[in-house]
Amino acid sequence: EIVLTQSPGTLSLSPGERATLSCRASQSVSSSYLAWYQQKPGQVPRLLIYGASSRATGIPDRFSGSGSGTDFTLRISRLEPEDFAMYYCQHYGSSPPVYTFGQGTKLEIK
Amino acid sequence: EVQLLESGGGLVQPGGSLRLSCAASGFIFSNYAMSWVRQAPGKGLEWVSAISGTGRNAYYTDSVKGRFTFSRDNSKNTLYLQMNSLRVEDTALYYCAKIQRGLGSFDSWGQGTLVTVSS
Repeated sequence: EIVLTQSPGTLSLSPGERATLSCRASQSVSSSYLAWYQQKPGQVPRLLIYGASSRATGIPDRFSGSGSGTDFTLRISRLEPEDFAMYYCQHYGSSPPVYTFGQGTKLEIK
Repeated sequence: EVQLLESGGGLVQPGGSLRLSCAASGFIFSNYAMSWVRQAPGKGLEWVSAISGTGRNAYYTDSVKGRFTFSRDNSKNTLYLQMNSLRVEDTALYYCAKIQRGLGSFDSWGQGTLVTVSS
């Protein structure tokens, strides 16, 4: 069973700064099946990144994903006020299909 | 535009049952695997179950195996989650989500339906 550990638990930054969020898998995973989501309070999760580095439809290019093996990163180049939210990474494992979420990183305004 | 609309949530006593539904539109429903993801109050996201496009294969997280049954009616573009033997820890907002083909990520989500298990 793969466990995804996100760090930090909370990240306090100011608008305009750069954010770096980490997702570490308990064993090596395929980057094809690593995704990131944003969830604002009271809202539905939104897919940001799939395949570790591909932006979903309509996602601004200030969001980028990278990584391979066990270490994956979501970067937000210049924080906008609307970017302060919870972020989750997620992995899909096949045979049999299992979907795993990390515990989340809260990005808050400093 | 993809739309997913859940219904069927409510308050139920421990040991009781509920059936959730999710009506889908805006895409070729039978071409996509679908999923239920839940979120307990103030907690993170937890995958519950997934089903293939044909409905032939369904998969479950360990904590709901034997209690929940995920099915679909492709003629009605509707998903169903039959939840039996409900526990207090099943209390959550239940989202249905569309699975990106071949990628295992959830690219569209419904607004969710709240299930509360309490005596």
